[in-house]
Amino acid sequence: KNQVEQSPQSLIILEGKNCTLQCNYTVSPFSNLRWYKQDTGRGPVSLTIMTFSENTKSNGRYTATLDADTKQSSLHITASQLSDSASYICVVSGGSNYQLIWGAGTKLIIKP
Amino acid sequence: DGGITQSPKYLFRKEGQNVTLSCEQNLNHDAMYWYRQDPGQGLRLIYYSQIVNDFQKGDIAEGYSVSREKKESFPLTVTSAQKNPTAFYLCASSTQSEVGGYTFGSGTRLTVV
Repeated sequence: KNQVEQSPQSLIILEGKNCTLQCNYTVSPFSNLRWYKQDTGRGPVSLTIMTFSENTKSNGRYTATLDADTKQSSLHITASQLSDSASYICVVSGGSNYQLIWGAGTKLIIKP
Repeated sequence: DGGITQSPKYLFRKEGQNVTLSCEQNLNHDAMYWYRQDPGQGLRLIYYSQIVNDFQKGDIAEGYSVSREKKESFPLTVTSAQKNPTAFYLCASSTQSEVGGYTFGSGTRLTVV
């Protein structure tokens, strides 16, 4: 079954600290993997899109990694800010119909 | 500025009532999508449309209907047949090739009263 699992479900860190969010998937065949940021009560906003051949991709203080062999991705946030408080959602495109399979997200809270 | 607009932001529905959620985009995107988001779950696809006057059911289409009469507009009707409609509804659009991923609206929170 095509699935996307994210961990942890929630995370609280102090402002200025780094953190890493995990995404494991069982989607096959694989097309691409995306990370979205969703503020409370808003729609998701794209952070990165990674294809099979890309191992690392950065967007400012956000760095995503992809290991297609182990089917794992991570999103690393450097020097966290209060505005980073949001849910971070991992989405994998693939499967027999190349549909999007959405993870349930990690809720990140940054405390001052 | 180009974007995708959903309205209303909050909507209350009485038992047995149909309600329509609006979604308009000025990004010149061909494809549009409706998702439902419930706490602790990933987004679930309700309907999608890749061209005008054509749309397909997603994973949870029962109790919902859509139309795509214009490229810019993709309204969603939540019918009385949808027994558990309370949720956060998200509309998205993309190019046909999905370059750059999806652009989402700000969502409509629907509550049954």
